Amino acid sequence: DQQVKQNSPSLSVQEGRISILNCDYTNSMFDYFLWYKKYPAEGPTFLISISSIKDKNEDGRFTVFLNKSAKHLSLHIVPSQPGDSAVYFCAASARGNFNKFYFGSGTKLNVKP
Amino acid sequence: SQTIHQWPATLVQPVGSPLSLECTVEGTSNPNLYWYRQAAGRGLQLLFYSIGIDQISSEVPQNLSASRPQDRQFILSSKKLLLSDSGFYLCAWSVFGTLRPGTGELFFGEGSRLTVL
Repeated sequence: DQQVKQNSPSLSVQEGRISILNCDYTNSMFDYFLWYKKYPAEGPTFLISISSIKDKNEDGRFTVFLNKSAKHLSLHIVPSQPGDSAVYFCAASARGNFNKFYFGSGTKLNVKP
Repeated sequence: SQTIHQWPATLVQPVGSPLSLECTVEGTSNPNLYWYRQAAGRGLQLLFYSIGIDQISSEVPQNLSASRPQDRQFILSSKKLLLSDSGFYLCAWSVFGTLRPGTGELFFGEGSRLTVL
């Protein structure tokens, strides 16, 4: 029973264009969402987060959008760079649940020069 | 500053052998500690989490166990490894009850690659 889903296992984008990574969740108790970036053989590193009281959070080239009614969030990377090539995981947690984080299966982004 | 270390980085073990992966956190007190596993082609699966010494919760029934003998030490173990235990194991920590929007609440170690033959 996967509560966080990333239905696109891979995405290929040209350098300079926009990358859009999508994530869906099923648990309506989730109220905090994060995106992580992971290179092979390394631990994931935090990228950006959003609380359920917002519908958008922006940090430089990265913007996360949250649609609570659709239980959907997306990560936009503009402009995409070859160094952005990695696996991106979305994660969700519910406050008051001991900060348990549930992750999606990841999307492998390839940014072509 | 806080740091997290886990070891060994790479492990090749025969089926039926025991396992011990260790994780330590420095620079923080009373962290929540987690073990995740990334199987080949799969996402990150939460295996165990701990909110304090000797307080362990298991997320999925499996061949593994976890222990937390000290505040900042988290150990993943198995008495007899199965082929299906192969994967990339990640230790992580967070601080309970301090959600700070815009910051990463879960911090990962470098990971341990386990191959069971």
